[in-house]
Amino acid sequence: GAVVSQHPSRVICKSGTSVKIECRSLDFQATTMFWYRQFPKQSLMLMATSNEGSKATYEQGVEKDKFLINHASLTLSTLTVTSAHPEDSSFYICSARLAGGRYTQYFGPGTRLTVL
Amino acid sequence: KQEVTQIPAALSVPEGENLVLNCSFTDSAIYNLQWFRQDPGKGLTSLLLIQSSQREQTSGRLNASLDKSSGRSTLYIAASQPGDSATYLCAVRHNAGNMLTFGGGTRLMVKP
Repeated sequence: GAVVSQHPSRVICKSGTSVKIECRSLDFQATTMFWYRQFPKQSLMLMATSNEGSKATYEQGVEKDKFLINHASLTLSTLTVTSAHPEDSSFYICSARLAGGRYTQYFGPGTRLTVL
Repeated sequence: KQEVTQIPAALSVPEGENLVLNCSFTDSAIYNLQWFRQDPGKGLTSLLLIQSSQREQTSGRLNASLDKSSGRSTLYIAASQPGDSATYLCAVRHNAGNMLTFGGGTRLMVKP
């Protein structure tokens, strides 16, 4: 099946720094990628949808200047958490949709961000 | 706005039991519904995907049903095993776009 990877799997940073998380579709091209965040014992909340080569669409309440999303190629999307604060600590999961395929999303393994 | 609810939120059963997880959604205009498994600190593994025109899907000991008109889906797990312990999430995709809306999940513990 289609594989989505994320890097890093875990990151700890100091408050005020920026953190970049990469999401790659390893064996397929993804025109659309999604970024979710998940707080402990809660479900996934969609943050933004990005289409290759265009600006991301952010969900209500998600600060686009804080969570920068770049989808520069059909296999790579990045999420940068700028000026991270402890409340940004969460589990971030990306998902990719197969280009031209049915509406099936493949999920990455997630990135655990801890901001001290 | 679509809302997805999963009941129960947590479930603990002895090994070998058959069990049913429930998922309900408020807007029946869905494109498909998907069940996922999530192990602690891990990403999501897709278990079953049911298109809106389908009534059920089966994979091994798992069977998912969909009643679109009533806004319900169930995930049936036969002969549960300790390795089935995980959080099970259902998610619906809308007709109008790409978005998946997730339920809150059911945390399942199967005791040996």
